[in-house]
Order: sequence, then structure tokens, then C-alpha cells
Amino acid sequence: AQSVAQPEDQVNVAEGNPLTVKCTYSVSGNPYLFWYVQYPNRGLQFLLKYITGDNLVKGSYGFEAEFNKSQTSFHLKKPSALVSDSALYFCAVRARGDSWGKLQFGAGTQVVVTP
Amino acid sequence: DADVTQTPRNRITKTGKRIMLECSQTKGHDRMYWYRQDPGLGLRLIYYSFDVKDINKGEISDGYSVSRQAQAKFSLSLESAIPNQTALYFCATSDPLWAGSEYEQFFGPGTRLTVL
Repeated sequence: AQSVAQPEDQVNVAEGNPLTVKCTYSVSGNPYLFWYVQYPNRGLQFLLKYITGDNLVKGSYGFEAEFNKSQTSFHLKKPSALVSDSALYFCAVRARGDSWGKLQFGAGTQVVVTP
Repeated sequence: DADVTQTPRNRITKTGKRIMLECSQTKGHDRMYWYRQDPGLGLRLIYYSFDVKDINKGEISDGYSVSRQAQAKFSLSLESAIPNQTALYFCATSDPLWAGSEYEQFFGPGTRLTVL
């Protein structure tokens, strides 16, 4: 069975400091990997994805993530956090052989950026 | 995403009542999904559909049913609501032929359901 782990319920960071949100997964084969963000009272918004190719992927709002196959991780990063980055972040995986496009989500990590 | 709408946005109901949550999309996507979000559990898949003739159970379908009335509409029903179905419900769409976004899902704004 596939699973996604986000080991931190909350990440606190000061504005201007680097932000990292961790994600590890357990999926057979080479999955597709995603990050979504949820702002208060909003639906989930797509940030970035890893499908194939370069292990470092860049996404919206200055975020990037690195796929590490050996560590089965896909950590989300931003070099300089903004207060407006405060939100709930979800990592998700999709099995490469799943033609339905079903996503398995992590539990989410609340990011709090303080001024 | 304004292309995926959900109604109602908030609903309070009582145990035993039948509730329908509706989802409509203008993206022209074939695939639609229903998830529920609970604190500390992330999003879990309830049902998904490829087209009006194709309905599939997800991870947590017990207590729920769905109807795909048209390509653009996918409704979720709670036949007899119970308090542990209190959650935030999301509808999502995707389309493998949508070049550039073929792997993504697009989410509606959510429906907050409270069962007393």
C-alpha cells in the first residue's frame, strides 16, 4: 500500500528565512509527486510536480522541491519565506501505473511565517 | 479555482438527515473526484468517476453515494448523516489529455459540513 508522510504538523519560520516542508513516501515504482497549498477558506492550489527528468523542480510563488529517489523524499523549499506563505501544505503521490490519476495525500503541514 | 464550484459552501444538519453536496465544473474534464479533509488526516478519496457511466469507490466510501449526472456534474450524498461525517469536502477534476496539466487535479473551494 502506498503512503505519504509529512513528519511535521507545523513549521515555524521567520520572514526572510529559508522554508523547508518535508515529505517522504512509500510507493512501489517511481511515482508522480505533487505539492498543493491550502489558504484559509480556500480549496487546494497546485504548486509543483515531479513527473520525470531533473530532480529539482520549480513551481509557483518561488517554491521548489527536490526529488530524492534513494531517500524516497520530495521536500518543498523556498529560499526566503514571506508572511503570505502561511498556509497548509500537502504532499501527494500518484502511482505511475494508475490511469485514474488518484492521489494519496499526506496529513498536511501548517506553515507559520512570522514578521 | 472558479472553474470548479461546490454548493453549498457550508451546511449544518442533524444526525439521520439525507444530505447532497454538489459539484460542477466548466473545465470540460472527464475525471471527477470527491475527497474529505479531516485535521491530521489530510485528504482521503471517497469516490471517483471517469464519465457518467463509470463510478468507483475510493478509500472511504462507506456511508456515501455519488451520482454523475453529466460530464460537468458530480454529486455526493450522505444517505443518513452521522456526526463523524463532519468534515470539509472537496471536489476535484482532472483530464489526462489536458496538455501541460495532464497530471494535476483542480479543486473546488470545499463544503464545510457539520452533522449534529
